[in-house]
Amino acid sequence: QQQVKQSPQSLIVQKGGIPIINCAYENTAFDYFPWYQQFPGKGPALLIAIRPDVSEKKEGRFTISFNKSAKQFSLHIMDSQPGDSATYFCAASKGSNYKLTFGKGTLLTVNP
Amino acid sequence: DAGVIQSPRHEVTEMGQEVTLRCKPISGHNSLFWYRQTMMRGLELLIYFNNNVPIDDSGMPEDRFSAKMPNASFSTLKIQPSEPRDSAVYFCASRTGINEKLFFGSGTQLSVL
Repeated sequence: QQQVKQSPQSLIVQKGGIPIINCAYENTAFDYFPWYQQFPGKGPALLIAIRPDVSEKKEGRFTISFNKSAKQFSLHIMDSQPGDSATYFCAASKGSNYKLTFGKGTLLTVNP
Repeated sequence: DAGVIQSPRHEVTEMGQEVTLRCKPISGHNSLFWYRQTMMRGLELLIYFNNNVPIDDSGMPEDRFSAKMPNASFSTLKIQPSEPRDSAVYFCASRTGINEKLFFGSGTQLSVL
């Protein structure tokens, strides 16, 4: 059972575009929703995270939108740059153990 | 801080051999996680430790896999005997007890021939 479903699998945008990556979850007990960024040959690194008590969180060019009733959340990258080309993972966890369940990832390519 | 340190970075072995992957978490972190990454299944949690004690090993695929954390600065993931389907990138990650941010190592690329 895939608890966190992520789409699309891959995404290509031009520099300055606004890629949007979507995730849907099934477990209503999830209460922590991070996004991780992974470059080739490296481990994932935390990009931004949100809790269900807010509908949006922005950090720099990265924004998470959260829809609790729909059990969905998404990542928006404003003014995307070629350096943003990476694989992005959404994840979810419940409680204080922060045992993350990851989506399958989205390979983002930002063309110059 | 050097971050989470994993070794080796690459491991190539033959089916049936024992493989040991090593991890040094960030100093002061008391939770440690082992993840496996494949194209088909993505990032899967294998096991996690809290204060050196295994809390949840439900993701360990089978008895061929075992993990230990003898002290706060070292953990191993062992596969014995290894099989070609174990080929993947294995990540170790750690975090403090009060912060949800997970720090990943650079991974071990395992190839079982």
